[in-house]
Amino acid sequence: DIQMTQSPSSMSASLGDTVTINCLASQDIGNYLSWYQQKPGKSPKLMIYGATNLEDGVPSRFSGSRSGSDYSLTINSLGYDDEGIYHCHQYYEYPLTFGSGTKLEIK
Amino acid sequence: EVQLVESGGGLVQPGRSLKLSCAASGFTFSNYGMHWIRQAPTKGLEWVASISPSGGSTYYRDSVKGRFTISRDNAKSTLYLQMDSLRSEDTATYYCATPDYPGITTTWFAYWGQGTLVTVSS
Repeated sequence: DIQMTQSPSSMSASLGDTVTINCLASQDIGNYLSWYQQKPGKSPKLMIYGATNLEDGVPSRFSGSRSGSDYSLTINSLGYDDEGIYHCHQYYEYPLTFGSGTKLEIK
Repeated sequence: EVQLVESGGGLVQPGRSLKLSCAASGFTFSNYGMHWIRQAPTKGLEWVASISPSGGSTYYRDSVKGRFTISRDNAKSTLYLQMDSLRSEDTATYYCATPDYPGITTTWFAYWGQGTLVTVSS
């Protein structure tokens, strides 16, 4: 199975900051990676697919990048609405797997 | 507008069965792969099972193989998850999800239902 090692598990940042969340795939998954934002008691929301493609309606402050098997989600100009848990997900092959999640708190 | 509405969750004893449903609307259901993903309380997301648009291909995580069955009724635009021999570790909120890209099953999940809670406990 492909393991997705996500880091950090939690982080705290201030309004206006830029933050980066990382996922390391245990084997090559190409660009078959997506990112989700989840708020308490809510369903996950797709933010990025294909490693770098912004889902319709997602602010351009969000971006995804890839360096080899390392994938990153970057959020610029942090706002209170960005607070939540972020999950990465590989869909290269079955079993589909997720990272363990990153809890982002806005100070 | 795409809508996915899960139902069928509840409290069930270990070893018993439960069947979840996901009613879909706002898109051509028969063109899209469908998926079940679960989330145990305070835990991360865990893929459970997937089914191809026609229903001819199904995929399961190892821990539910032989116990869970994913199926679909394209005439009713409804996805199902039959869960047998339930265990305490199956306790979770179960989401159905689908991509915004037709045909294949290994995709991102663009649309999610609100989830239905399954609690396995005596």
